[in-house]
Amino acid sequence: DAKTTQPNSMESNEEEPVHLPCNHSTISGTDYIHWYRQLPSQGPEYVIHGLTSNVNNRMASLAIAEDRKSSTLILHRATLRDAAVYYCILNPAGNQFYFGTGTSLTVIP
Amino acid sequence: GAVVSQHPSRVICKSGTSVKIECRSLDFQATTMFWYRQFPKQSLMLMATSNEGSKATYEQGVEKDKFLINHASLTLSTLTVTSAHPEDSSFYICSARSGANSYNEQFFGPGTRLTVL
Repeated sequence: DAKTTQPNSMESNEEEPVHLPCNHSTISGTDYIHWYRQLPSQGPEYVIHGLTSNVNNRMASLAIAEDRKSSTLILHRATLRDAAVYYCILNPAGNQFYFGTGTSLTVIP
Repeated sequence: GAVVSQHPSRVICKSGTSVKIECRSLDFQATTMFWYRQFPKQSLMLMATSNEGSKATYEQGVEKDKFLINHASLTLSTLTVTSAHPEDSSFYICSARSGANSYNEQFFGPGTRLTVL
């Protein structure tokens, strides 16, 4: 399974942008890049996914490096409700998710 | 977005008893469901993959006779923890995939907190 590396924790001030990095140097051509987040005692929540091009949705943006060996999840204005563990997951279409350790995001009021 | 429910949300049982956890896809048909376990302060660990109408595929190190999985319909999968012991206490989370999208998005349930006394 292709592996991802994320910082264990990050902090951000409220209403400021947050850039959450993910390294995936062993990514293969068919691996989608998924981002999920998990609040305490809840199931993971879908944030965004991409394959090659940068992606935007109402929650976040996903910037994918040209060589696809890294990606960055961008929260444009962090709110207290964005405090969660963010997981970057590689997944070939039709296969399982294997979660890494994720990044615990703290948002400071 | 698609909704996945789990029941119960929380269960406490005595050591040696069996506990069944249900996972339902409420507004879509789930061709594949997944079961995860999460211990405190740790990440999710995939336990097994379940396809409707066929036997579940268990991850290495997960005892299939202890964690019985049934996926009898396109909207329901169950996980039964047999002869539960305190070390089985954990947060169990299911997810479901419709198979309609090639990018393989999974929809997660809210989780079930199991405490074995």
